[in-house]
Amino acid sequence: AQSVTQLDSHVSVSEGTPVLLRCNYSSSYSPSLFWYVQHPNKGLQLLLKYTSAATLVKGINGFEAEFKKSETSFHLTKPSAHMSDAAEYFCVVTFTGTASKLTFGTGTRLQVTL
Amino acid sequence: GAGVSQSPRYKVAKRGQDVALRCDPISGHVSLFWYQQALGQGPEFLTYFQNEAQLDKSGLPSDRFFAERPEGSVSTLKIQRTQQEDSAVYLCASSLLPGGEYGYTFGSGTRLTVV
Repeated sequence: AQSVTQLDSHVSVSEGTPVLLRCNYSSSYSPSLFWYVQHPNKGLQLLLKYTSAATLVKGINGFEAEFKKSETSFHLTKPSAHMSDAAEYFCVVTFTGTASKLTFGTGTRLQVTL
Repeated sequence: GAGVSQSPRYKVAKRGQDVALRCDPISGHVSLFWYQQALGQGPEFLTYFQNEAQLDKSGLPSDRFFAERPEGSVSTLKIQRTQQEDSAVYLCASSLLPGGEYGYTFGSGTRLTVV
């Protein structure tokens, strides 16, 4: 079975400060991991993905995530938050190379304040 | 098209009414998924197609839900005798390859409200 746990349902940061959104996964097999962002009334947009290549993955808009197998974690970070980063973020897991469904975390709402 | 297109964007149905939601995936994408996203929740898997074959329908909540992809491109999710608990955003996603190595592209969804 596969699952993801997003440790924070809500994160608030000031503009210009670092962002950390935490995700732990459980997967019996070699996982593929994704972070998606969802702005209000918009579709899900892929931020970045890990598929067993480099463990530090760089995505769009300055986001990056590090796959740590020993900690079963895939935390999302950004050095400096921007107001436009305010949105819902989902950590997602699936099995590498198989026709397998995506399993979503419950989401983390990121608030960015002035 | 350039992205995954879903229609209608919004649908209001009276309880007991049948509805049909359409997904037009990216041309050439083999895999197609349907997800249900309730208010304040993460998307939950409904069903998966590889070309025209429905390989997994384990997430469909009841036999009132039916999905098809007859020619391996456009897909329709049908909900019969809608209930209030069916109110949600229904998301469609497609992927070039079955394993999702290139990621999954989501549509903007259809927001279904059952009154």
